[in-house]
Order: sequence, then structure tokens, then C-alpha cells
Amino acid sequence: EPEVTQTPSHQVTQMGQEVILRCVPISNHLYFYWYRQILGQKVEFLVSFYNNEISEKSEIFDDQFSVERPDGSNFTLKIRSTKLEDSAMYFCASRARNQPQHFGDGTRLSIL
Amino acid sequence: EDQVTQSPEALRLQEGESSSLNCSYTVSGLRGLFWYRQDPGKGPEFLFTLYSAGEEKEKERLKATLTKKESFLHITAPKPEDSATYLCAVQAGAAGNKLTFGGGTRVLVKP
Repeated sequence: EPEVTQTPSHQVTQMGQEVILRCVPISNHLYFYWYRQILGQKVEFLVSFYNNEISEKSEIFDDQFSVERPDGSNFTLKIRSTKLEDSAMYFCASRARNQPQHFGDGTRLSIL
Repeated sequence: EDQVTQSPEALRLQEGESSSLNCSYTVSGLRGLFWYRQDPGKGPEFLFTLYSAGEEKEKERLKATLTKKESFLHITAPKPEDSATYLCAVQAGAAGNKLTFGGGTRVLVKP
């Protein structure tokens, strides 16, 4: 069964450094998402992406965040200057039209 | 603002002891309610989508139901492998793109 793949599974970064989280969505999906889950808290929406542009973003997704689909298979989340409070699990999701979202297993981001 | 509340936060069951999980929601224009299962260290795994009040979906020992204000996930005769966190999420509003999640119910089924 096709699945969403995320790399790396764990990323440790110094505060202030840039980090790029990578995702390979399911191949025929058209809609892409990033969510995050701080330890012990709810899964929170960050951004949705369709037709090569952001379709919706949350208040969390400020100027420090950006997303890109550099080729036909990858979908990336970049955090320009990481803060301690960016430490969380980051989940990528994708879906086909009128179908539910399918999630990857996440990248655990630890900011030191 | 869309709100999703799940109860209880945690549930300990004996194998074979049926129970129900609750998801209450306050949204403007529900487009869909989703149930996911999440195992430790993994991403949410899709279980069900419900679109309108009165709708029911079943899969093995799980049955999801929907009313205008809440959804229930019934676990019938659970087995230890049903131990997981069960997440409820809603898709709402005109854009209807993002999911708003509840806090989840951690279910532990003891043999």
C-alpha cells in the first residue's frame, strides 16, 4: 500500500539554525499538508499546499516557515531560524481529491 | 473557531470489554469528521470519515457514529492490538482544507 515517507525521522539542530524537513507524498495525490504535534499536545495544522501554492496557513506558520515542492515527488518544510519552541513532531500528509488525508510517521525535531 | 474535545483522555479496558469514545465538536459548516488511530512514534492512520448526522461506519471491532454535535467510536470486544491513541478531527468551513484535531483518547487493552 502506498504511503507518505518523511525524512529524517529525528533531527537535532542548534537554535537559530535553518532546518529542512522532507516528505514524499503518495504519488497520485494533489493536496499536501504539514502539521505539528508538541509533546503532550494536540496535532496542529500548519499549512496546506495545492497547485504549487499555499492554499491555507495557520497563525503558527509565520515568516520563519516556508514550503516548497521542488520537483514532482518531494514536499519540504523549511524553518529559517529555529527557536526552542519549534521542538515538536512534524507530520506531512497528502490526499487525493475528495479523499481523506494520509499521514507520514513524522520527523521529531529537537532544538538545542 | 473550530473546537474538538475528546473524552475520556485515557481508557483502560480488559480484553473483550466493550466501550465507547466520545468526540464533541463545535464547528461552522462541518464538511467531514475523521477518526484516526495513532500508535507510539507513528503518524495518524486513517480509520473512518463521517459526513452527516446519522451516518455509521464499521471496520472490524470499530464502529463510528455521528450526530450533529458529537461522534462516538465504539470498540466491541477489544483485543490488546487495539491499544492506541484514537484521534478525532473535523474538516469545516468554506475552504474545508485543514483538519482540526481533538486531544485524543489513549486506549490500553489488557489481556
